[in-house]
Formats: sequence, C-alpha cells, structure tokens
Amino acid sequence: AQTVTQSQPEMSVQEAETVTLSCTYDTSESDYYLFWYKQPPSRQMILVIRQEAYKQQNATENRFSVNFQKAAKSFSLKISDSQLGDAAMYFCAYRSAIRIQGAQKLVFGQGTRLTINP
Amino acid sequence: SQTIHQWPATLVQPVGSPLSLECTVEGTSNPNLYWYRQAAGRGLQLLFYSVGIGQISSEVPQNLSASRPQDRQFILSSKKLLLSDSGFYLCAWSTLPRARNTEAFFGQGTRLTVV
Repeated sequence: AQTVTQSQPEMSVQEAETVTLSCTYDTSESDYYLFWYKQPPSRQMILVIRQEAYKQQNATENRFSVNFQKAAKSFSLKISDSQLGDAAMYFCAYRSAIRIQGAQKLVFGQGTRLTINP
Repeated sequence: SQTIHQWPATLVQPVGSPLSLECTVEGTSNPNLYWYRQAAGRGLQLLFYSVGIGQISSEVPQNLSASRPQDRQFILSSKKLLLSDSGFYLCAWSTLPRARNTEAFFGQGTRLTVV
C-alpha cells in the first residue's frame, strides 16, 4: 500500500519570503499523480498544484512550484513571495494512475500547518 | 460549472444517536463520490467511495455506512454514534473513469462532535 509522509507538522515564514514544505511517499508503482492541497481555516480543501509522475518537468502554478524527485520519492512544495492568505494546512497526496473499480483514491500525508508572519 | 454541497456544517450528537450526513453534486453526471474523515491533527482517511448508484466500497471497518440512492447524492450514516466517530468529514467527487488526469473536488466539510 502507498504511504505519504510529511515530516514537518508546522512551518512558519516571514511574509514575502520563500518557504519549502517537504513530502515523501512510498510506492511500487511507476505511474501516479502527486498533489498539494491547501486547507485554510474555512476547512475547504483546495488543489494547489498537481504533478504527473511520467513528466520530468516540475509543475508550477504562479507562486507555487514543486521539486519532484521520482527516484528519491520526494515531492516538495515551494511557495515564493509568501502572502498572509497562504496561511493554511497543506496536505501532500498521492493517487495511483490505476483505477480501482473506476475510483481514484487519494492517500494523504499528515499535513503541515503553515504560518505567515507579517 | 460543477458544485458540491455538503451539510450540515457542524453537528453535535450524543453517543448512541443516529447520524446522517448528506452530500450532493451539481453540474455533472456519473461522478465518483468519496467520503473522507479527518481526525484532529491528522491527514484525511478515505472511508467510502462509490462509482455508481447503489455501489459502495468501504476502505476501513468502522461504525459507519454509506449509501448512494441517486446519481449525485452520497449519504454517510450511523445507527449508533461512538465517541471515536468525532472528526471532520469531507465529501469529494471526481470525474468519469475514462478521464486519466482528473482531480478530486471537495465539499466544505462537516465537523461532527460526539458527546
């Protein structure tokens, strides 16, 4: 079974600075997807960024980028120019490209609480 | 556009009472539907998923059950709540199996406190 580990329960960063959140995963599969979700105080889960394992190029979405190291099974999230609105719980998640009965099941890490200091 | 509705937002229930949480999706058909639970300070755990009406798969043994009476309706239930059922419950949907690169969309969640 796949597992996802986020070893940083809490992180903090000064506004406008850059912060990197870590995530490692364990799988025997070669085809999968990795995600970073953001959960603000409102508790709504919001997709931040997605990476397809067969793509070597790291995904970027505006101020958010990832460092995907497939061999090391590492998937870190970098937030540049941190803003107060970035404060949230961040979850790393894994999804196999193989559909089990058509479903796409996400495996989540424990989360990292990010605080932005003004 | 597609939207997902989940209610109630918060719920306080006594031990031994029944539970019914409802989730509906609009703007799509034949979605895959999911129930996740988030315990305090922990990640999300998949509880149930459904690929069609009346089709329910359970991921972990527990005191809860799920049903899908209509294509875009997903219900989480319990006959008798336990203290350990407290947590934050999230409903999610994703698109048809033929689409390779799809994401899951989440509802706003229900915070359940069993007292």
